[in-house]
Amino acid sequence: ILNVEQSPQSLHVQEGDSTNFTCSFPSSNFYALHWYRWETAKSPEALFVMTLNGDEKKKGRISATLNTKEGYSYLYIKGSQPEDSATYLCASGARNRDDKIIFGKGTRLHILP
Amino acid sequence: ETGVTQSPTHLIKTRGQQVTLRCSSQSGHNTVSWYQQALGQGPQFIFQYYREEENGRGNFPPRFSGLQFPNYSSELNVNALELDDSALYLCASSFGEVSRQFFGPGTRLTVL
Repeated sequence: ILNVEQSPQSLHVQEGDSTNFTCSFPSSNFYALHWYRWETAKSPEALFVMTLNGDEKKKGRISATLNTKEGYSYLYIKGSQPEDSATYLCASGARNRDDKIIFGKGTRLHILP
Repeated sequence: ETGVTQSPTHLIKTRGQQVTLRCSSQSGHNTVSWYQQALGQGPQFIFQYYREEENGRGNFPPRFSGLQFPNYSSELNVNALELDDSALYLCASSFGEVSRQFFGPGTRLTVL
């Protein structure tokens, strides 16, 4: 069974502080690593899709890195704001696998005012 | 450009019944993936349709089936509903098998 693991499960961060969390995924048959932000009562929103080892992507205060050889990705949030409160999901995509896309359980981020 | 829509938003069924959930993909997308999200879990991949053909399936029994239509909209059918089928069902459309996905708002299914 292939699993995508995310840690921590939940995180409380003071407004203005920076934070990061981890996604580990199967490195075999890898094609793409996705990060999504899922706010309560909304649809999951794509943040990044990364495919190459060493990829780094940035969107405003949020950035992500990818290591396909060891099977992990980090998501960083700089200067956390209340609107960053959400569940952050990562997903591993592989074309040569029956279960094309495997999601982790997510990291629930709470920003404290 | 319209986003991904799903219907209905909520549904209550009883054990043994059958249900059909619908998803309209985003304009220009040819792939629809369906997920089941139970409480406390990440979305679990049910199956994917690419150009009207099933293109991958997760660990779900055959009573979960689907269709994709020529306009790339899709249906998820579940037969012989069980209590454990109660969950949020998400669909996502994309251009390609493992490309960036755009999610719909989900259908909340409750099986009594």
